[in-house]
Amino acid sequence: DVKVTQSSRYLVKRTGEKVFLECVQDMDHENMFWYRQDPGLGLRLIYFSYDVKMKEKGDIPEGYSVSREKKERFSLILESASTNQTSMYLCASCPNPNEKLFFGSGTQLSVL
Amino acid sequence: QKEVEQNSGPLSVPEGAIASLNCTYSDRGSQSFFWYRQYSGKSPELIMSIYSNGDKEDGRFTAQLNKASQYVSLLIRDSQPSDSATYLCAVRPSGGSYIPTFGRGTSLIVHP
Repeated sequence: DVKVTQSSRYLVKRTGEKVFLECVQDMDHENMFWYRQDPGLGLRLIYFSYDVKMKEKGDIPEGYSVSREKKERFSLILESASTNQTSMYLCASCPNPNEKLFFGSGTQLSVL
Repeated sequence: QKEVEQNSGPLSVPEGAIASLNCTYSDRGSQSFFWYRQYSGKSPELIMSIYSNGDKEDGRFTAQLNKASQYVSLLIRDSQPSDSATYLCAVRPSGGSYIPTFGRGTSLIVHP
């Protein structure tokens, strides 16, 4: 069965902390994505990656960076967490452009 | 900015009725269209994908695509309370980008 695993379901951090969100997929997919989802704003793309060590900015990359050292793992980094980064973070992957996205279960991040 | 528009709802229908969810998109060259269902607190999961004009049926669900009018809809027949969720429309645009653009979702409530 296809699986996208996010390391934490709930996370509480302090303002200014460096935060790492991890995502691992076991389907050998080329493409991986990080979204954040806020009430009334839908899914917004932060970063995506179409290959190892390759990354592209999405619609809202400010305050975030990513790392993809291995095909199966895509990490989202909040360099200095701020309260406006409190959100649900969703990782997704897909094998090719015409295929659906497979989503992880999400990480609800609270920055206090 | 390529846009995907959905009525946020909530759309309320009685059990057993047909629920009709609509989505319009701005990029005339869009290639692939997806409907995801998202239960509260869960991640999105694919219900239907459609690539060519016309109807596509899968059980109680029918996706309808009209590229000339730039809309895609999802019909749910014999609606059940378990269909109560947010439905996200996603559109893959033209121009080589394979990043799907998501609408903000329509909340559906099926009441007994």
